[in-house]
Amino acid sequence: AQKITQTQPGMFVQEKEAVTLDCTYDTSDQSYGLFWYKQPSSGEMIFLIYQGSYDEQNATEGRYSLNFQKARKSANLVISASQLGDSAMYFCAMREGWTGNQFYFGTGTSLTVIP
Amino acid sequence: DSGVTQTPKHLITATGQRVTLRCSPRSGDLSVYWYQQSLDQGLQFLIQYYNGEERAKGNILERFSAQQFPDLHSELNLSSLELGDSALYFCASGVPGELFFGEGSRLTVL
Repeated sequence: AQKITQTQPGMFVQEKEAVTLDCTYDTSDQSYGLFWYKQPSSGEMIFLIYQGSYDEQNATEGRYSLNFQKARKSANLVISASQLGDSAMYFCAMREGWTGNQFYFGTGTSLTVIP
Repeated sequence: DSGVTQTPKHLITATGQRVTLRCSPRSGDLSVYWYQQSLDQGLQFLIQYYNGEERAKGNILERFSAQQFPDLHSELNLSSLELGDSALYFCASGVPGELFFGEGSRLTVL
């Protein structure tokens, strides 16, 4: 089974609108971490947001928020007030255990912001 | 700027050749991870080092090897290169719970 599943290969959003990128994960560990990264066309991988499995509140970082639903094993990224610069690939990732060595990545979602 | 430095940014070479990619982790980070990102296989974990020792191994080919030096920088050596080795190679570092990526080294094998 895939550890991280991103079911949306491509998404479009109007500028200034909000968009949700889906991510589901599979683990039997109680302790894990969930990450989102942005990869623009330049290729770099930019860390956006982190959610720990014991964090009770959803993580937020500026216009990014993580909608963490533990029972459903989902960790969706919400981008509010989309900007043209948000057009990029977005990857969801999971680390099993508090100091786990391996990070599992999804296949990514390509987001295009339309002016 | 993640604080992780990778060189070179771009590299073009021929099949059968050998290249070395270099990574300097963020200041204070003991762990270094190497990932390969190719068009058809997404982001693949290759290998992790922690304070000079190999900690975890992923889908790393026998033609590839890595090491981490006492000053904590790491090198990924790719030998007998094939066309399919063309990819973006990332180094990442972080304390437990974090993972920050360098800008990547784009390898093209002709």
